[in-house]
Amino acid sequence: GEEVAQTPKHLVRGEGQKAKLYCAPIKGHSYVFWYQQVLKNEFKFLISFQNENVFDETGMPKERFSAKCLPNSPCSLEIQATKLEDSAVYFCASSHKRAGGLGYTFGSGTRLTVV
Amino acid sequence: DQQVKQNSPSLSVQEGRISILNCDYTNSMFDYFLWYKKYPAEGPTFLISISSIKDKNEDGRFTVFLNKSAKHLSLHIVPSQPGDSAVYFCAASEGGYNQGGKLIFGQGTELSVKP
Repeated sequence: GEEVAQTPKHLVRGEGQKAKLYCAPIKGHSYVFWYQQVLKNEFKFLISFQNENVFDETGMPKERFSAKCLPNSPCSLEIQATKLEDSAVYFCASSHKRAGGLGYTFGSGTRLTVV
Repeated sequence: DQQVKQNSPSLSVQEGRISILNCDYTNSMFDYFLWYKKYPAEGPTFLISISSIKDKNEDGRFTVFLNKSAKHLSLHIVPSQPGDSAVYFCAASEGGYNQGGKLIFGQGTELSVKP
């Protein structure tokens, strides 16, 4: 399809629980990006993939966050042992090219609330 | 360390008038700048971009100006319409094949266009 599909739209987790978010990129797009938006502020880059390979993970809090993009499956972002500060909207974007954010299409986001 | 800054959290203009949204950056290695528009509960949508080798790019009612010496860019919307009411994010990309298309976002400016 021509949209980036993110599921679920909303997710509520108790502190310490696991959260798993999914992103189906646009068919034919090789690049996937995850961003975190806390409190309607700026989008913080987390990680990017080229197909199933991690391209840049400099934004990932490595202790509790992990992500995968496996062939023929939606990409996923998993947070082990969630903390209150993980409450945010997580956006996925896909692109057919790498350069400069051009050609990005964003999904509608998953709102994670940690209580 | 905020590399991209939008110092005005909100802006209100009258329909038909010009809207000017501003953005400052600190990293001289940025080579693409983009503006995204975001409605509530949706992902950002690409509006217009400019390469660092240009000083102006125009697309219909939207014009982006880049002043590299001042590390400043602005988005002009003329004439403003009520449907332009949204949050506008400025973003920058550090280019080169190895940079992976990661975007650095500003905090956003909420534009309200009043009929």
